[in-house]
Amino acid sequence: NAGVTQTPKFRILKIGQSMTLQCTQDMNHNYMYWYRQDPGMGLKLIYYSVGAGITDKGEVPNGYNVSRSTTEDFPLRLELAAPSQTSVYFCASSPLSNQPQHFGDGTRLSIL
Amino acid sequence: GQQVMQIPQYQHVQEGEDFTTYCNSSTTLSNIQWYKQRPGGHPVFLIQLVKSGEVKKQKRLTFQFGEAKKNSSLHITATQTTDVGTYFCAGENTNAGKSTFGDGTTLTVKP
Repeated sequence: NAGVTQTPKFRILKIGQSMTLQCTQDMNHNYMYWYRQDPGMGLKLIYYSVGAGITDKGEVPNGYNVSRSTTEDFPLRLELAAPSQTSVYFCASSPLSNQPQHFGDGTRLSIL
Repeated sequence: GQQVMQIPQYQHVQEGEDFTTYCNSSTTLSNIQWYKQRPGGHPVFLIQLVKSGEVKKQKRLTFQFGEAKKNSSLHITATQTTDVGTYFCAGENTNAGKSTFGDGTTLTVKP
């Protein structure tokens, strides 16, 4: 099993550009999450989903959008990239909310 | 909203010394999870505690969940260089549908 797969691993964007961070899991997990981790800091929840067709905001949703059309995929969209969005983005999944989360390797995003 | 605080933020130890990180929640938790993130890596699940006063051990690691289910600790006995990394706790309120991560404790071990 591949687990949670994130693409791309690295990306540099210019201010105002848009992009989609991809996340796919092959464990048939209901719950999926997007976090950002700034240097030396903890994980901040951006959005999460409890199942296909359902998404909800986390602590820091502004500037991001998500969709969950299938159980496997949970893409994160940045519409107008800003320098404050420079961070490492982690996608995670779990069977239920009270069960361990499995993380992808992360996407390192720089906005210049 | 729910807040989860971890202390200390950083801990530097000599190899062989013990290490403890503490996690405190502003609300009662239904469960707490601990993760380890190696430098440049992603968080990896270590353990989950559910019951009040629960204590679990994994080799040199001891995890405790407080009686009131509002705090937890991770203790490492006789640290090794392989213990280097950031340790996060993540607590979930009952029926919250999601966990809140603490900011982590970064452990460095001097050989």
